[in-house]
Amino acid sequence: DAGVIQSPRHEVTEMGQEVTLRCKPISGHDYLFWYRQTMMRGLELLIYFNNNVPIDDSGMPEDRFSAKMPNASFSTLKIQPSEPRDSAVYFCASSLGTGFGLRGYTFGSGTRLTVV
Amino acid sequence: SQQGEEDPQALSIQEGENATMNCSYKTSINNLQWYRQNSGRGLVHLILIRSNEREKHSGRLRVTLDTSKKSSSLLITASRAADTASYFCATDGGNTPLVFGKGTRLSVIA
Repeated sequence: DAGVIQSPRHEVTEMGQEVTLRCKPISGHDYLFWYRQTMMRGLELLIYFNNNVPIDDSGMPEDRFSAKMPNASFSTLKIQPSEPRDSAVYFCASSLGTGFGLRGYTFGSGTRLTVV
Repeated sequence: SQQGEEDPQALSIQEGENATMNCSYKTSINNLQWYRQNSGRGLVHLILIRSNEREKHSGRLRVTLDTSKKSSSLLITASRAADTASYFCATDGGNTPLVFGKGTRLSVIA
């Protein structure tokens, strides 16, 4: 398995533009998580899905953020409009089975977003 | 809010020495996990210890858990330059996703 695949690896965009981050989880995993990492706040959970259904989006900072999982092999995180304070590394992770962490999470390599 | 808090924030040691990192948490847990993150990469799962376990080993890694003190430690023995990374603890409360601490940055000097 190629692991969790995220694209793009780097994204530089201007304030006000729409940004779409993509994630392909490990085949067969039934949980998918979006995290954001910054120096100040560390790793923050934004939203997670179980069997493609969003379960908890309370970590999404504002209405400017939205996430979808149209099928078991693809998820997107969209920011519209983007702002400089959205600059961070965004990680997608997936996991399998009962309990959230019994087998650990598998993380993608992340998308480093810079909004100028 | 953060559940796990690692200590120290940064640690620098010589190759061959042991590295110990600590994690404290606030609420009851089902299990606690440790992850490693190399610069510019995603987190990699290292080891999981359940709440009814006190110690676990995996290769050069040793993890302890003290639920009465709500704390865990990660020991890396005979460290190597390749162990240079950030290390995170993550707690699993059972009904919510993993909550990660801010990590310990470990530098192993050759």
